[in-house]
Amino acid sequence: AQKITQTQPGMFVQEKEAVTLDCTYDTSDPSYGLFWYKQPSSGEMIFLIYQGSYDQQNATEGRYSLNFQKARKSANLVISASQLGDSAMYFCAMRAYSSASKIIFGSGTRLSIRP
Amino acid sequence: ETGVTQTPRHLVMGMTNKKSLKCEQHLGHNAMYWYKQSAKKPLELMFVYSLEERVENNSVPSRFSPECPNSSHLFLHLHTLQPEDSALYLCASSQLLGGSGNTIYFGEGSWLTVV
Repeated sequence: AQKITQTQPGMFVQEKEAVTLDCTYDTSDPSYGLFWYKQPSSGEMIFLIYQGSYDQQNATEGRYSLNFQKARKSANLVISASQLGDSAMYFCAMRAYSSASKIIFGSGTRLSIRP
Repeated sequence: ETGVTQTPRHLVMGMTNKKSLKCEQHLGHNAMYWYKQSAKKPLELMFVYSLEERVENNSVPSRFSPECPNSSHLFLHLHTLQPEDSALYLCASSQLLGGSGNTIYFGEGSWLTVV
């Protein structure tokens, strides 16, 4: 069975600090992709970053980077120099090659940035 | 401007009404999805279409009826809904159905309230 676990329901971080959002996953499929999405209060799910299971390097997109530790089955999102606009829900998601139509999501982490 | 647009953004309907949610993607994708997001629940996949054919129906009650007239448009027809169907309905699309690296892009969502 495939599963995504986000253990931090909520986090508070001071503006300009870096923040790490945790995500662990479980799958028996050797080929899979990991995604992070941001959901502001408006509702839209915004794609942030992608990491493939065979990628040798950790993915980076601007201030976002994914700390991929395959042996530990973790895919933590790191946001550097946090901004007030980063306040939102963040979801980790996974898509396994064997279940092509399904992308499963974690329960999310609510990140609040303090000025 | 988002590549996936949903209308209406907000909908209030009575339990005996019939209404529809509309989704349009401008990304040239071949797969489209409906997700339901209720308070304090993970995202639930409802329906998946690939090249206008329904490939997934995750035990969704028949009061939700999807329609995909072409690869750019997806509808969710609603009739005789229950108050527990109140939720955020998210439409999404991806280039292809398969492949672990296929990123899913979401619309802004339609907030539905059933009274």
